[in-house]
Amino acid sequence: NAGVTQTPKFRVLKTGQSMTLLCAQDMNHEYMYWYRQDPGMGLRLIHYSVGEGTTAKGEVPDGYNVSRLKKQNFLLGLESAAPSQTSVYFCASSMTRVYTEAFFGQGTRLTVV
Amino acid sequence: AQSVAQPEDQVNVAEGNPLTVKCTYSVSGNPYLFWYVQYPNRGLQFLLKYITGDNLVKGSYGFEAEFNKSQTSFHLKKPSALVSDSALYFCAVRDVRTNSGYALNFGKGTSLLVTP
Repeated sequence: NAGVTQTPKFRVLKTGQSMTLLCAQDMNHEYMYWYRQDPGMGLRLIHYSVGEGTTAKGEVPDGYNVSRLKKQNFLLGLESAAPSQTSVYFCASSMTRVYTEAFFGQGTRLTVV
Repeated sequence: AQSVAQPEDQVNVAEGNPLTVKCTYSVSGNPYLFWYVQYPNRGLQFLLKYITGDNLVKGSYGFEAEFNKSQTSFHLKKPSALVSDSALYFCAVRDVRTNSGYALNFGKGTSLLVTP
């Protein structure tokens, strides 16, 4: 059981370039999330999805777009990367019950130069 | 708003000693609280959660947490620390607002260092 898988694991981008981070989960979870982790700031929610075809903004959505065309996949896009988007990105998924825990991927370390 | 605070950036403890990592919460309604651990260059791993019931919650790797409603706290504890417990620990609360997707709101994290 793979759980939550993120690709790629590492990436270096030049300012202005675009890229897509892929998150795939095999637990049939309805809810999926993208977070970014920065030193001393914990994890901050970028976007989330409560089901196939639906997405919503989180705490820090600017500069990012997302899509959930299939239930098992949640894509995070950077249209024009900026150095401020240098971070570690985590995807997570959970069931729809408020008392259940979320499961996290291994993270993507992105550097924008 | 549902939020948690971790007042300590770092906690140092000697191996074999008890450890405590502090977390306080601010919520409207019933809190759904979680602890996660992150080892270097890894994702977050679930340790334990408080939903309702007993104030002492037991979790993975010998960890437990004490829920205290009057002090709005949810401190993580372990009776005897191991060097391998050294990691980054996050407290989180579930956002229960309508259409929130039940996202987790995280504290800033506490780095635990256990020395031999």
